[in-house]
Order: sequence, then structure tokens, then C-alpha cells
Amino acid sequence: KAGVTQTPRYLIKTRGQQVTLSCSPISGHRSVSWYQQTPGQGLQFLFEYFSETQRNKGNFPGRFSGRQFSNSRSEMNVSTLELGDSALYLCASSFWTSGSSYNEQFFGPGTRLTVL
Amino acid sequence: TQLLEQSPQFLSIQEGENLTVYCNSSSVFSSLQWYRQEPGEGPVLLVTVVTGGEVKKLKRLTFQFGDARKDSSLHITAAQPGDTGLYLCAGSYNYGQNFVFGPGTRLSVLP
Repeated sequence: KAGVTQTPRYLIKTRGQQVTLSCSPISGHRSVSWYQQTPGQGLQFLFEYFSETQRNKGNFPGRFSGRQFSNSRSEMNVSTLELGDSALYLCASSFWTSGSSYNEQFFGPGTRLTVL
Repeated sequence: TQLLEQSPQFLSIQEGENLTVYCNSSSVFSSLQWYRQEPGEGPVLLVTVVTGGEVKKLKRLTFQFGDARKDSSLHITAAQPGDTGLYLCAGSYNYGQNFVFGPGTRLSVLP
């Protein structure tokens, strides 16, 4: 099975611009989560989508948004970029069902976003 | 709020040494995962532990889940430079719908 893929791998933007990142989960996985990773804050949860619905949301401003398509692929958008948005953005997919007693997340390679 | 702590934050050892890193919480988790992450890459899942007291081995790595499912440890025997990386633990709760990550232990194994 192919792993989680993320595009692009690297991105350079300037303040005020917007950016869209893409994530393709492992085949059969319906849950996709997004994380922001910075040296100072570690891995911080942005949001999770399951069957095209946002199921969980972290503590990030509304400039961060996402969506999930019917094929489980997901996109994340950041509007009005700030210098502090520079980070590694990670996508993780999981095969979660309502009868699951536990769950496992599998991560993509990430998108390195640099805001100048 | 579920929180995970990891210790030590940083660890630098010589090749061939043994080490243990810890993951602790005051909360009970339904499962706990350990990941290793290399610079510029995504975390790679090493193991999932589910049952209290469970011990799993992956070559030179031994993972243990605490009896109360609140803590875990990762022991590496005869560390090698290839073990270098950031080790993250993640606890799963709410029947697997939610995860919380620890801040990580950055391990450096010197040849």
C-alpha cells in the first residue's frame, strides 16, 4: 500500500499571501488529521476530518482551514500568512471505525512552509 | 486536558550504550504509539501498545505500557548512529478519535 503523500514538499511564500497544502491518505483511510510542527512548540494539532466532516479542531485562528473530499483526500488552507506560520505541516491518516478500541496514525513526509 | 510529558528532552550517547526514554501522563489512554522522526521528514510509527503492562520488542527496541495505561517507556539496547532522531509518544483516547503528542526526546548516538 502506498503511504500518505503530501504536496508540495517545500513552499516559500511572503507575508499576506495564502497557501493550500494537499494530502492523500493511505487507501481505505477515512480520517485525515493536520498538524503544525515547529522547534519551539512541537507537534500541534490543527484539525481532523472524517468522511468529509471536520470532527475535531485544535486551537488555531480561523486563518487555518481545511476540507476533505469524497475520496478522502484533504487540503489545508492558510490565508493572510504571517512569519510565525513558517513550520513543517504534517498530515496523518488513520483507519478509524466506530467499533475501534484503538487507533493508529500514519504520517506523510510533510510540507515545509517558509514565510518571508 | 490530556497532556503527555517526555523525558529526557535531549540525550547524547556513544554507540553501543543502552538508554531508556519515558513518556508520562496523569491521564489514561486507550493506546499509546511511539514514533521516530528524522529532520525534515514525517514521524514514522514504531509501535502501538494497547494493554496495560504490555511489552513489545522491535529488534533492539523494547516498549512497555504501564499497568495503568498512563505511561510508557522505550528502551534501546546497544544504540547505533541510525537510532538518532526525535522520539515522540502519542496517546490515543476517546475510543481512538483523539490523539495527544508529547514534546519528544531528541536522541543523538555518536559513532
